[in-house]
Amino acid sequence: EAGVTQFPSHSVIEKGQTVTLRCDPISGHDNLYWYRRVMGKEIKFLLHFVKESKQDESGMPNNRFLAERTGGTYSTLKVQPAELEDSGVYFCASSQMDVLDRAAGELFFGEGSRLTVL
Amino acid sequence: AQSVTQLDSQVPVFEEAPVELRCNYSSSVSVYLFWYVQYPNQGLQLLLKYLSGSTLVKGINGFEAEFNKSQTSFHLRKPSVHISDTAEYFCAAASSYKLIFGSGTRLLVRP
Repeated sequence: EAGVTQFPSHSVIEKGQTVTLRCDPISGHDNLYWYRRVMGKEIKFLLHFVKESKQDESGMPNNRFLAERTGGTYSTLKVQPAELEDSGVYFCASSQMDVLDRAAGELFFGEGSRLTVL
Repeated sequence: AQSVTQLDSQVPVFEEAPVELRCNYSSSVSVYLFWYVQYPNQGLQLLLKYLSGSTLVKGINGFEAEFNKSQTSFHLRKPSVHISDTAEYFCAAASSYKLIFGSGTRLLVRP
C-alpha cells in the first residue's frame, strides 16, 4: 500500500513567487493535515481537512496561504506570494480517524516538501 | 497555552548505553501522548502512544515511555541504543483533533 506522498521534495523560489505543494494521502484516509517545521523548531499545525472540508485552519499563518482538497482526495497548499519566513519543511499527514479516536490516533506522514525562499 | 516541551535539542550517547529523551506537556492538552521518530530523508513514523491504561507504554524498536500525570511528563527511554537509532524524535499531544508537537530531540548514537 502506498504511503503519503508529497511533491516536490524540494523547491527553491524567489521572494514574491508562487509555489504549490501537493500531497496525496493514503487511499481511504478522510483526515488530512498540513504541518510546517521552520529551521529546527517545533512542527506546527497549519490545517486539517476531513474529506474535502476544512475542519480547522487555525494554524494558517496568513492569507498568502491557500489549501484545497479536491474531491476529498489529494490536497494542495499554495503560497502566494512567498516571503523569506515561509522557508521550512511542509509535512502532510493523513489518518483514517482523528487523533482523539481511541482506536487509532496515528498520523501517517509524508517525507515533507522543503521550501527555500531566497 | 497548549504546548509540548522537549528541553534537549540534541542527545549524544554511545552505542549500547541507555538513553532518556525528555518530554513535558502543558495540562491544557489532552493526555493522548505520542512519540514519533524521523530517520534521515524519511517521514515521521509512530514509535508509541499513550491513550489510557498502564502508564508504561512499549513501542517499536525496544523503546518505551512512561506517562507521569503529576509531573506532566512522557519521557522516552531505551535501555541499550544502536547506531541505527540515530534520528530525530518528536513528542506530541493530541488537542482539538490535531497533534501539538515539541521541537524535537536529535539522538546521536556514537560507536
